[in-house]
Order: sequence, then C-alpha cells, then structure tokens
Amino acid sequence: DIVMTQSPDSLAVSLGERATINCKSSQSVLYSSNNKNCLAWYQQKPGQPPKLLFYWASTRESGVPDRFSGSGSGTDFTLTISSLRAEDVAVYYCQQYYSIATFGQGTRLEIK
Amino acid sequence: EVQLLESGGGLVQPGGSLRLSCVASGFSFNDYAMSWVRQAPGKGLECVSTINNNGGTTYYTDSVKGRFTISRDNSKNTLYVQMNSLRVEDTAVYYCAKGSAATIAVAGKLFDYWGQGTLVTVSS
Repeated sequence: DIVMTQSPDSLAVSLGERATINCKSSQSVLYSSNNKNCLAWYQQKPGQPPKLLFYWASTRESGVPDRFSGSGSGTDFTLTISSLRAEDVAVYYCQQYYSIATFGQGTRLEIK
Repeated sequence: EVQLLESGGGLVQPGGSLRLSCVASGFSFNDYAMSWVRQAPGKGLECVSTINNNGGTTYYTDSVKGRFTISRDNSKNTLYVQMNSLRVEDTAVYYCAKGSAATIAVAGKLFDYWGQGTLVTVSS
C-alpha cells in the first residue's frame, strides 16, 4: 500500500496568516492516463464528516474559498491557506486514490 | 442535493455481527462506486471496502477480509456492509462515501460526498 505522511501533525497559526500543510507519498501517484496526480485533500471539522477540498492535487472543489490552494506533483504535495480564518480550524487529511485508497494521519490546524 | 444516510450502528459484543446500510439520494446511484470509510475514536481515516457501480468488483482492506461483505441494491439506492466476527479494534464511526466514477479504479476512490456516519462499538 502507498503510505501517506503529513507534516506537521499539528499547526497553530495566527488569524490572517498563512498555513501550510505538507503531504508525502511513499511512491508516485501520477496517473499516466491523464498525467494528473491522484491526490485529494479533505477538511474535517469536529463532529462532521470529511469534506472534499481538492482533487487531482490542485483542482478546487466547487464552493471551496480561493484562499485555499493545492499544489505538488509526484510524491510531494502541499495544502496552503493564504489567510487563515477562524472557520478554517479543522483537521486536514491528504488521500491518494492512485491505488488502494490511503490517507495521511491528519494535521490539526488551530488558531495561535 | 446529494444525501447519504447511514444506519445500523450500535453496541455489539466481540464476535458479534452488524449490518450497516446507507441510503443514497440526489444522484444516479447506479453510476458510481461506493465505499465504507471508518474512523476510530480520535484517529484518522481508513477505507474499509469499495464496490463498483454494478456490484461486480469489490475491495477490502486486509484487516476485514473474510469478515466484512460489501454489497449494494441499485433498485433501492442502498449500500450495505455485513460485518461478522467483530473485534474491539473495529470500533469506529463508519462513513458511507460516494466515489467520483463507476469503477473502483482511481476516481472511484475519490470521495466527493460523505454521510454523517454511524457509530459501531465492539465491547463486552
């Protein structure tokens, strides 16, 4: 199975500041059929199910604010929140769907 | 509006059985793969099982092979998982998740909608 490793495990950022979460896969998740990376990001708030934010590493799901961005290729990926808002407090997960679906361990984002 | 409504969770003793159901609405159920994803208390996410759109192809994570059976009834827009020989480590919230494609390959495991989950507690 492809192992997904996120860093850091937790992150405290001041309101209005940038938050960056990293995700590394144990092997490439590049899908040769469309030359896109099979990497998704989810946001999970307390007591709620995960919500899809990005797929194909950088395609924003409808309704996701543009202060969120996804980037990366191959084995290294990043989720960035350009200007943190209080409602962004959550746990964020990356997931690869290239092979058997596996998730990172999650990154808890808090307000400093 | 896509909706996924799980039911069937509860408290069961080790070695017992449960059947979870997920009723889907708001999309063409028979066009998409579906999955069960679980989350142990305070832990991360694990894809337990996936089924393609017509039920002909399934996937199970190693820890549940031979114990769990995923199925679907497209006439009822319902996804199921039969869980037998339950263990303490199966305790989790079980989410029903919609894939983004019909097959279990690639986009079939990209989960664009999730239910609210149902809690399964395995304890004596």
